[in-house]
Amino acid sequence: QKEVEQNSGPLSVPEGAIASLNCTYSDRVSQSFFWYRQYSGKSPELIMSIYSNGDKEDGRFTAQLNKASQYVSLLIRDSQPSDSATYLCAVKADKLIFGTGTRLQVFP
Amino acid sequence: DGGITQSPKYLFRKEGQNVTLSCEQNLNHDAMYWYRQDPGQGLRLIYYSQIVNDFQKGDIAEGYSVSREKKESFPLTVTSAQKNPTAFYLCASTTRGGDQETQYFGPGTRLLVL
Repeated sequence: QKEVEQNSGPLSVPEGAIASLNCTYSDRVSQSFFWYRQYSGKSPELIMSIYSNGDKEDGRFTAQLNKASQYVSLLIRDSQPSDSATYLCAVKADKLIFGTGTRLQVFP
Repeated sequence: DGGITQSPKYLFRKEGQNVTLSCEQNLNHDAMYWYRQDPGQGLRLIYYSQIVNDFQKGDIAEGYSVSREKKESFPLTVTSAQKNPTAFYLCASTTRGGDQETQYFGPGTRLLVL
């Protein structure tokens, strides 16, 4: 069983829509959760971190965490073509574990 | 500007050759990490160092070596024992802050075998 699971996609959404990216993890003692955005050929860039249950909003991005369900998600409102990238979920218990990423495509 | 730099951007390795990838940070971070990324796969940890003159193997350390003589620098050597070195190599660093420490990445080095 993979420790951090993401649907590889691609997830295709029209410009202006809400993109919903999901991530599940297996280690119940995980305490820290991160979303990174990675453009093709570039390195990952941190966009959100979340540490407690509930929602955390930053501009067009909202991270949602449910530790009981071992589930973390990222919502992108008013999606733009520039949001097209691979989104990596990372979960930290004793070490940081990355998912394989979900590719998001936003079409005009 | 504070940040993490990696060089070179592209590196070509011949059979049997050792090559060294550079990683430097001026963020005053204590911990540094090396990851390998292959197409369709997540980031896999090669080595990490939480303090100068100390480092630990990650999940895929075979065929690699590192040193940490200075806080700012964490070079990675890909040895001839690494039979499949073609990948995107990413260096990261973080402050030591318990569960809320956050990793930041350098721009990466793409290694290709001739």
